[in-house]
Amino acid sequence: DQQVKQNSPSLSVQEGRISILNCDYTNSMFDYFLWYKKYPAEGPTFLISISSIKDKNEDGRFTVFLNKSAKHLSLHIVPSQPGDSAVYFCAARIQGAQKLVFGQGTRLTINP
Amino acid sequence: ETGVTQSPTHLIKTRGQQVTLRCSSQSGHNTVSWYQQALGQGPQFIFQYYREEENGRGNFPPRFSGLQFPNYSSELNVNALELDDSALYLCASSWGGGTGSYNEQFFGPGTRLTVL
Repeated sequence: DQQVKQNSPSLSVQEGRISILNCDYTNSMFDYFLWYKKYPAEGPTFLISISSIKDKNEDGRFTVFLNKSAKHLSLHIVPSQPGDSAVYFCAARIQGAQKLVFGQGTRLTINP
Repeated sequence: ETGVTQSPTHLIKTRGQQVTLRCSSQSGHNTVSWYQQALGQGPQFIFQYYREEENGRGNFPPRFSGLQFPNYSSELNVNALELDDSALYLCASSWGGGTGSYNEQFFGPGTRLTVL
């Protein structure tokens, strides 16, 4: 039972344009959502997060949007840079629990 | 500040063998979580250790076990290895047991386990 889904295995975007990565979830008990970025041979690196009581969080070029009624969140990267090429994981935490539930990941490629 | 380190980097075992993977948590952190990442999938939670006690477990059989030491480093042990155990094993350290507000988990580079 995949509680967090990233339906796009890959995404290719032109440098300077906006990258939009999407994530859907099924569990209403998730209270915290996160995006992680992963380069080959490295562990995932925390990028940005959002609490379930908010609908938007911004950090520099990165913005996460949460639509609770649709059980959907998205990560916007503007402008996209070549160094953003990586695998991006969406993750969620169940309220009161200790674990993160991850999506399958989306490989983002930024083309010059 | 030292980050999360894991050893070994790569490991090859045969079916039925046992393996121990090690993780040193980031300075100041008292919680270690272990995740299994199969090829093409996201990390899956195995269990978490907080102050040397297991503090939550995912859907993994008992042959996956762990330990946390007084210095908060941790081990993941897997007995009776199966082919499907081939994966990247990630550990993440954080502060606090995770029941309150979210405390960021910092991941190590992982151990790549291959079971033949």
